[in-house]
Amino acid sequence: SQTIHQWPATLVQPVGSPLSLECTVEGTSNPNLYWYRQAAGRGLQLLFYSVGIGQISSEVPQNLSASRPQDRQFILSSKKLLLSDSGFYLCAWSIQSYEQYFGPGTRLTVT
Amino acid sequence: GEDVEQSLFLSVREGDSSVINCTYTDSSSTYLYWYKQEPGAGLQLLTYIFSNMDMKQDQRLTVLLNKKDKHLSLRIADTQTGDSAIYFCAESRGNTDKLIFGTGTRLQVFP
Repeated sequence: SQTIHQWPATLVQPVGSPLSLECTVEGTSNPNLYWYRQAAGRGLQLLFYSVGIGQISSEVPQNLSASRPQDRQFILSSKKLLLSDSGFYLCAWSIQSYEQYFGPGTRLTVT
Repeated sequence: GEDVEQSLFLSVREGDSSVINCTYTDSSSTYLYWYKQEPGAGLQLLTYIFSNMDMKQDQRLTVLLNKKDKHLSLRIADTQTGDSAIYFCAESRGNTDKLIFGTGTRLQVFP
């Protein structure tokens, strides 16, 4: 069966510090991968999606970037965090269907 | 999520039915989804409906789709305290796997 992992589960970082969030998927090959952000009291905003290794599409211009160094690994990064980057970050995967499956999420607080 | 709208809160008594509503704007949406998010967790796919269907029933869940009005609803029969969560509707756009989420409806079930 397929599983999706995210780490860390929670993170507190000061403004201006770098960020690296990791997402890995097991039990499937060549998935589409997604990064979403959920700000407090708001819906989900699609940040990035990837259809293959090294292929990243950005949905919203921002302080963040994404990379896919391996087929089942998706990384969300920032060189310098802003206060507005605080939120709940969710990774999701899908394959040959319109169903997306979400990871447990990372709660990021920028202080 | 600005194209998909949901009311923010719904409070129901245990045992009653809950109806969560959603309106969307893109008439080309192929699939529409309902996701459940429990506190501090990722999103769980509850059910989805193809755009050429009017209704889909799955145990306690009934999804109704009115394409003319671009209105989607989720009915939960015999609502239980374990149903307390945030419910997101989402639409897929065209032939992509990208989902546009609503802001979520927080369902509170009281005894």
